Amino acid sequence: GAGVSQSPRYKVAKRGQDVALRCDPISGHVSLFWYQQALGQGPEFLTYFQNEAQLDKSGLPSDRFFAERPEGSVSTLKIQRTQQEDSAVYLCATRGLDTEAFFGQGTRLTVV
Amino acid sequence: SQQGEEDPQALSIQEGENATMNCSYKTSINNLQWYRQNSGRGLVHLILIRSNEREKHSGRLRVTLDTSKKSSSLLITASRAADTASYLCATGPGTASKLTFGTGTRLQVML
Repeated sequence: GAGVSQSPRYKVAKRGQDVALRCDPISGHVSLFWYQQALGQGPEFLTYFQNEAQLDKSGLPSDRFFAERPEGSVSTLKIQRTQQEDSAVYLCATRGLDTEAFFGQGTRLTVV
Repeated sequence: SQQGEEDPQALSIQEGENATMNCSYKTSINNLQWYRQNSGRGLVHLILIRSNEREKHSGRLRVTLDTSKKSSSLLITASRAADTASYLCATGPGTASKLTFGTGTRLQVML
């Protein structure tokens, strides 16, 4: 596709429910990043992939957060046993070898 | 944790006026980038300035960087209503690395 595509755009989850957020990168983009953006804040780094390798997961807030990119293309961010503090917009960004980062529209997660 | 802090937090101007936003950061950087964010188009890259550059222009945008003061400014000239958005600065140790964002300046351009 022409840009980074994220789905779903909106997700409402009951506390304790597991959720999976999908990111379809720009074709050929090697690097993929996930960010979490709380209301009124800037995005905060969660994790980084280069192709299928997860090179940095230092920003994942707890072991309830898990990300994968098994074939070096589509990535999924999974949150287990969601809690209210997980409510945020989750942004995916990808970049090519010599390009700036392109962001998706994000998934707005609301945990009730 | 947020690396940069934008100033002011909110700015309201009339169409045609210039808007200046500032960003301060804490650690050494390789480059600094400015992004625009609104609900319609998400987060869009505007301009990147490298640590060895002092000023850069792109259309109606002018960015300056002062590494001695660890600060940058974004000037939007002849603002338009469509410029209404949040503007965030972001830094990274390298061009391929993760970005650390500030909290953003909310700009409103009124007709």
